[in-house]
Amino acid sequence: GAVVSQHPSWVICKSGTSVKIECRSLDFQATTMFWYRQFPKQSLMLMATSNEGSKATYEQGVEKDKFLINHASLTLSTLTVTSAHPEDSSFYICSALGQPAVSSYNEQFFGPGTRLTVL
Amino acid sequence: EDKVVQSPLSLVVHEGDTVTLNCSYEVTNFRSLLWYKQEKKAPTFLFMLTSSGIEKKSGRLSSILDKKELFSILNITATQTGDSAVYLCAPAGGSNYKLTFGKGTLLTVNP
Repeated sequence: GAVVSQHPSWVICKSGTSVKIECRSLDFQATTMFWYRQFPKQSLMLMATSNEGSKATYEQGVEKDKFLINHASLTLSTLTVTSAHPEDSSFYICSALGQPAVSSYNEQFFGPGTRLTVL
Repeated sequence: EDKVVQSPLSLVVHEGDTVTLNCSYEVTNFRSLLWYKQEKKAPTFLFMLTSSGIEKKSGRLSSILDKKELFSILNITATQTGDSAVYLCAPAGGSNYKLTFGKGTLLTVNP
């Protein structure tokens, strides 16, 4: 299946710093990528939809100035958590929308996730 | 607003038991429904269902979709301890195949 990578896989930072998370589709081009957040024992919550070359679409309640998304190429989207605080500690997961060669359907392929801990 | 309800929220069984996990949904411009298994990291893909009534199988796992009743089930037969995980149901909707995740079913398989 298609491969999506995320970097870093985990990060610990001090309160007030900014953290950038990268999401790459390794063997396909993705015009659309999604960013999710998952708190312990909860399901994945969509934060934003990232479209290559245009502004991201944020879900209700997600601060776009705090969670900056850049989708500069067809294989890379970045999420920057600005001025991170302890309540931003979470598991951040990206996915890339693509169409595998043997399928006529678009599918979302998930990255392995990034665990952010803000002290 | 899109809605996904999974049941039960948690389930404890013994190895060898068969389980059925349920997912009901209301999604605008429905495209497909996906099932994922999540252990400690990001979800791993199990099935994508697009047509009603056609069962998809992978080993001991199978799933089926009812687009009229807006419902899907995931069956696991002869459960093993390695099946212990959270199983997530996520219908995809809209032009960008946006996924809406249910809260998941936490399955615990005891030896």
